[in-house]
Amino acid sequence: EAAVTQSPRSKVAVTGGKVTLSCHQTNNHDYMYWYRQDTGHGLRLIHYSYVADSTEKGDIPDGYKASRPSQENFSLILELASLSQTAVYFCASSDDRGMNTEVFFGKGTRLTVV
Amino acid sequence: GDSVTQTEGLVTLTEGLPVMLNCTYQTIYSNPFLFWYVQHLNESPRLLLKSFTDNKRTEHQGFHATLHKSSSSFHLQKSSAQLSDSALYYCALSDVNSAGNKLTFGIGTRVLVRP
Repeated sequence: EAAVTQSPRSKVAVTGGKVTLSCHQTNNHDYMYWYRQDTGHGLRLIHYSYVADSTEKGDIPDGYKASRPSQENFSLILELASLSQTAVYFCASSDDRGMNTEVFFGKGTRLTVV
Repeated sequence: GDSVTQTEGLVTLTEGLPVMLNCTYQTIYSNPFLFWYVQHLNESPRLLLKSFTDNKRTEHQGFHATLHKSSSSFHLQKSSAQLSDSALYYCALSDVNSAGNKLTFGIGTRVLVRP
């Protein structure tokens, strides 16, 4: 069974503080993604990566950075957390077989910025 | 860019009745891949079914959908809803410009099945 593990599962952060969300996959997948889930917006892509040491911007990258130090690990970094970044964040992975391939999601991290 | 439009909000129905969730999409690509993902409470989204072929019905776990390119639609249907079908359903479109699978999701439709 494909496995994508996120940590922490929930976090409360202070406005202006730095937040790091971590993701680890054991699928041997090349592609990893960070999505944000909000009611009324669905899932939106923040950053993605197709190889270690390289990241790409998704549809809503502003206010977020990403880091892919190895094939297995992909982090999302909020340098200056803001109230508007309160959401559930999902990490996901997929192989490189193209448009048909299934995306496997982690269980999500609930981030509350106060 | 690509976009996906779904039945909005909450769909409430009685167990045993049919359910249909609407999904339409916009893309400049003539051969898109469409997906339905389902997310149960406190779980992660997982693939329910997918399609690439025009006018061909695809089925999984009692659900079915047919991609109609003429109307840019990929509606999800089930003939008899079960209590366990209560979940959040996402329609998604694949980004043709990616060798991986960057998905564009709709806003999601929450389904509540009552006894």
